[in-house]
Amino acid sequence: GAVVSQHPSRVICKSGTSVKIECRSLDFQATTMFWYRQFPKQSLMLMATSNEGSKATYEQGVEKDKFLINHASLTLSTLTVTSAHPEDSSFYICSAYRDLAYEQYFGPGTRLTVT
Amino acid sequence: SQQGEEDPQALSIQEGENATMNCSYKTSINNLQWYRQNSGRGLVHLILIRSNEREKHSGRLRVTLDTSKKSSSLLITASRAADTASYFCATDHNAGNMLTFGGGTRLMVKP
Repeated sequence: GAVVSQHPSRVICKSGTSVKIECRSLDFQATTMFWYRQFPKQSLMLMATSNEGSKATYEQGVEKDKFLINHASLTLSTLTVTSAHPEDSSFYICSAYRDLAYEQYFGPGTRLTVT
Repeated sequence: SQQGEEDPQALSIQEGENATMNCSYKTSINNLQWYRQNSGRGLVHLILIRSNEREKHSGRLRVTLDTSKKSSSLLITASRAADTASYFCATDHNAGNMLTFGGGTRLMVKP
């Protein structure tokens, strides 16, 4: 089956630093990837849609200058949380859309803790 | 993206009982999907039902879809302790393949 990986799985960083999270589709190409954020005991909230070769589309209320998304290839999208603050601590999940399968394949998530 | 609603928010049952979770949404869909998430983990795709389907089965899972009521239900039969997880419905509204997630149901199955 289709596999999506995320790296790192957990990261702890100090306030003010930047953190990069990678999302890779391992056995298929994904022209579209999605980034979600999930706070404890809550549902997934879409942050942005990442399209290979073009700028990401951000959901309302998500700061594009704070959450930088780069979809440089058909198998890799990265999310960089810039100048992280404790309120950015969350579980970040990516997904990759497999064309013609009508299905998104989700990564295992990255737990970000900002101290 | 606007979320649909799921109920109940939390459900606690004994092993062997059936668990039913409901999902409602607001605008027309291409398909509706159910996912499972163990605590602190990623999502596992359970089942997809298209807008022209009314019922679908997969093992102990049964999903129904009523597009006139804009609602879906997930039934887990003969539940096991290992079914303890959060369950989310997600709707595809044909908006760039984007999924809109419901609030989720936290299911606890007691052994």
